[in-house]
Amino acid sequence: DVKVTQSSRYLVKRTGEKVFLECVQDMDHENMFWYRQDPGLGLRLIYFSYDVKMKEKGDIPEGYSVSREKKERFSLILESASTNQTSMYLCASSPGTMFSGYTFGSGTRLTVV
Amino acid sequence: AQRVTQPEKLLSVFKGAPVELKCNYSYSGSPELFWYVQYSRQRLQLLLRHISRESIKGFTADLNKGETSFHLKKPFAQEEDSAMYYCALSVMGGGSNYKLTFGKGTLLTVNP
Repeated sequence: DVKVTQSSRYLVKRTGEKVFLECVQDMDHENMFWYRQDPGLGLRLIYFSYDVKMKEKGDIPEGYSVSREKKERFSLILESASTNQTSMYLCASSPGTMFSGYTFGSGTRLTVV
Repeated sequence: AQRVTQPEKLLSVFKGAPVELKCNYSYSGSPELFWYVQYSRQRLQLLLRHISRESIKGFTADLNKGETSFHLKKPFAQEEDSAMYYCALSVMGGGSNYKLTFGKGTLLTVNP
């Protein structure tokens, strides 16, 4: 009963490529989030969205953009991939209340060469 | 500004020993805290939340507002508890929506 699905488990891209990471949730959640996970740095918020077609910058938005055209889908875009964007990317969704917490996807391990 | 601090990057204990993973927070509002766990090659999942006052897999956590802490405890560690643990704080994100601020995580290893 997978509820948050990330389209790729592993990706290898070249420097300068435009990269799309896709995330789909089936729980009708309003809020969706993109984090990157790096050893020793924990989870850092890249972008989030509280509604269709809206987005908010997180703590480390530089080099990234997002798209949310439908409620269930939240895409992370690396405009021009660089080696320092090699990381694990986690998508999450939430009903958005104080007590609800998140449901995470299984992650996409992106390597930029 | 809100912040979550997990002072230990690594914690190693023996099977059957008590374990405590520390979490301290800084937040001007009323805190709601969570513990998430990530087992090897698995997705990040909710372990427990303060509001539920529950015990999951033998773990408990008590919110201490005076010490601004939400330490995770288990009296007898098991090898299957080996994982990465993240403490998270629910903060206002905009409008009536909330988002989580995470600590940097503690990698727990339980040795046989």
